Amino acid sequence: AQSVAQPEDQVNVAEGNPLTVKCTYSVSGNPYLFWYVQYPNRGLQFLLKYITGDNLVKGSYGFEAEFNKSQTSFHLKKPSALVSDSALYFCAVRDLSGGSYIPTFGRGTSLIVHP
Amino acid sequence: DTGVSQNPRHKITKRGQNVTFRCDPISEHNRLYWYRQTLGQGPEFLTYFQNEAQLEKSRLLSDRFSAERPKGSFSTLEIQRTEQGDSAMYLCASSSVGTGNTFRSGNTIYFGEGSWLTVV
Repeated sequence: AQSVAQPEDQVNVAEGNPLTVKCTYSVSGNPYLFWYVQYPNRGLQFLLKYITGDNLVKGSYGFEAEFNKSQTSFHLKKPSALVSDSALYFCAVRDLSGGSYIPTFGRGTSLIVHP
Repeated sequence: DTGVSQNPRHKITKRGQNVTFRCDPISEHNRLYWYRQTLGQGPEFLTYFQNEAQLEKSRLLSDRFSAERPKGSFSTLEIQRTEQGDSAMYLCASSSVGTGNTFRSGNTIYFGEGSWLTVV
């Protein structure tokens, strides 16, 4: 079975400060990991993914995420937050060993960037 | 390439009525997914197609829900005898079979803007 946990319902950060949104996962085999962002009343937009290779993945809008196999984590980061980054962020995982093509999503973390 | 398109964007219906949502995936994508999202929750998987074949269905998909993808292109999700608990956003997504790490490659699913359902 595959699952993902986002331990924080909400993250508050001041504009210009670095931000981190946490994600941990559980899979039987190797994971595919994804981050998506959702603005109010909109669908989910893809930010970045980890499949293989470098543990630090760079994505859209200056976001990056670090894959840590020993801690089973895939935290989303950005060096300098913008007010426009305020949105819902979802982590997702797909277990390569399960033979399924269906990602499982976390409950989401609301990021609020204060001016 | 216009992305994943969903219609209608909003639907208000009376309890007991039937509703149908349509999804047009990205043109070269042969995998299509339906998810449901309620307030404060992440997307929950409903069903998955590869071409016209419906390969997986969630236990969330009761007998009142049916999905089709008749020609392996667009898909419809029908909810019969709607209940207030069906109120949610219904998300469609698509992906390709291809591998690799390019932006539109396999492994990544791309979502539409969603269809909001309110059952009154």
